Amino acid sequence: SQQGEEDPQALSIQEGENATMNCSYKTSINNLQWYRQNSGRGLVHLILIRSNEREKHSGRLRVTLDTSKKSSSLLITASRAADTASYFCAVNQGAQKLVFGQGTRLTINP
Amino acid sequence: NAGVTQTPKFQVLKTGQSMTLQCAQDMNHEYMSWYRQDPGMGLRLIHYSVGAGITDQGEVPNGYNVSRSTTEDFPLRLLSAAPSQTSVYFCASSFTYGTSGDQETQYFGPGTRLLVL
Repeated sequence: SQQGEEDPQALSIQEGENATMNCSYKTSINNLQWYRQNSGRGLVHLILIRSNEREKHSGRLRVTLDTSKKSSSLLITASRAADTASYFCAVNQGAQKLVFGQGTRLTINP
Repeated sequence: NAGVTQTPKFQVLKTGQSMTLQCAQDMNHEYMSWYRQDPGMGLRLIHYSVGAGITDQGEVPNGYNVSRSTTEDFPLRLLSAAPSQTSVYFCASSFTYGTSGDQETQYFGPGTRLLVL
């Protein structure tokens, strides 16, 4: 079963607005990773956050991790049309397996 | 660096045929894996390897075989193709860290689109 569950499944916002996506998981993790996939392409790594970290930033991206709630969020600030993509979280449970969620489809409207 | 390469990019098979999807990486990563992605879905792990000579099953291993004779290559074999195996297949590789071999940032190939008639 999928461990990383993203919410919402789809999100449509206006250019310039912020986009927030959430990921929940069921068991303890060693790290959690966020990826972006443009239509028909491979996945591109965005941010990796370890279980002992609470927040990480990369440019316009901010990822938080709450291990007590078993959840993570990805915030994209000042969205651009180029941010239109699917976003996936992947949880590393320490069993040498990285399990992906079903993703959030983000659409940025001009 | 070429990163992770996959061949072919697109393949059409008839039910019952066999084929091998190729994956290679030039980053000296210990960990390699194969995923399949069905329309509108996330990635499901088929098989993975933590080093040459070591492979293990993921979530959906049935109908697929893998081997890891070198660090660089990790081919995926479809033994007898079925329409249910129509999908996009992604290969990925990464370093690992820690005693439990946790995966670091995954580098993905461009994918192989497979259609089984």
